Amino acid sequence: AQKVTQAQTEISVVEKEDVTLDCVYETRDTTYYLFWYKQPPSGELVFLIRRNSFDEQNEISGRYSWNFQKSTSSFNFTITASQVVDSAVYFCALSDYKLSFGAGTTVTVRA
Amino acid sequence: DGGITQSPKYLFRKEGQNVTLSCEQNLNHDAMYWYRQDPGQGLRLIYYSQIVNDFQKGDIAEGYSVSREKKESFPLTVTSAQKNPTAFYLCASSKFRDRELGNTEAFFGQGTRLTVV
Repeated sequence: AQKVTQAQTEISVVEKEDVTLDCVYETRDTTYYLFWYKQPPSGELVFLIRRNSFDEQNEISGRYSWNFQKSTSSFNFTITASQVVDSAVYFCALSDYKLSFGAGTTVTVRA
Repeated sequence: DGGITQSPKYLFRKEGQNVTLSCEQNLNHDAMYWYRQDPGQGLRLIYYSQIVNDFQKGDIAEGYSVSREKKESFPLTVTSAQKNPTAFYLCASSKFRDRELGNTEAFFGQGTRLTVV
């Protein structure tokens, strides 16, 4: 069975601070995808990043970066120099044939 | 424009009635999903479908039904058997990548907010 755990319920920061969101997952599969999504107040989920299980290279895309460690089943996500517009709920997700989400972390960025 | 369309955006239902939520995609995606989101909570999978005329139960399928007669469409019926149907419902679709990795990232519709009155 798949399981995704986001231990942080809420994070509040002041603008320009970095924010790191934790994600731990469980799966019996050896190949899978991991994702991060953002849900702004409007409700629609927005895809942010994808990583497949073959590739543990960590990357940076603009103000987003991620740290994937297969040995510890973690897929953490960092927003650098946060902005008020980053305020949203962030979800980590795991997929092989079934797409499973964590409970989400609410990020509030204060001006 | 390619995308996923959910309708209606808001839906009110009387207790004891069945109601059907529409989800259409023109992305030529193979897989489609239905999720339920309650206030302050994450997404829980109701049903998903990998191919036409086939679908599987998710984690909370009781009181719901689906069909997948066309690749583009995956309607969800909330039946009177669903004890607490008031929630935000999200439909998504994704592309099949390969047999090992399965599906790539899912794209979501704007959601339907269902209220039982």
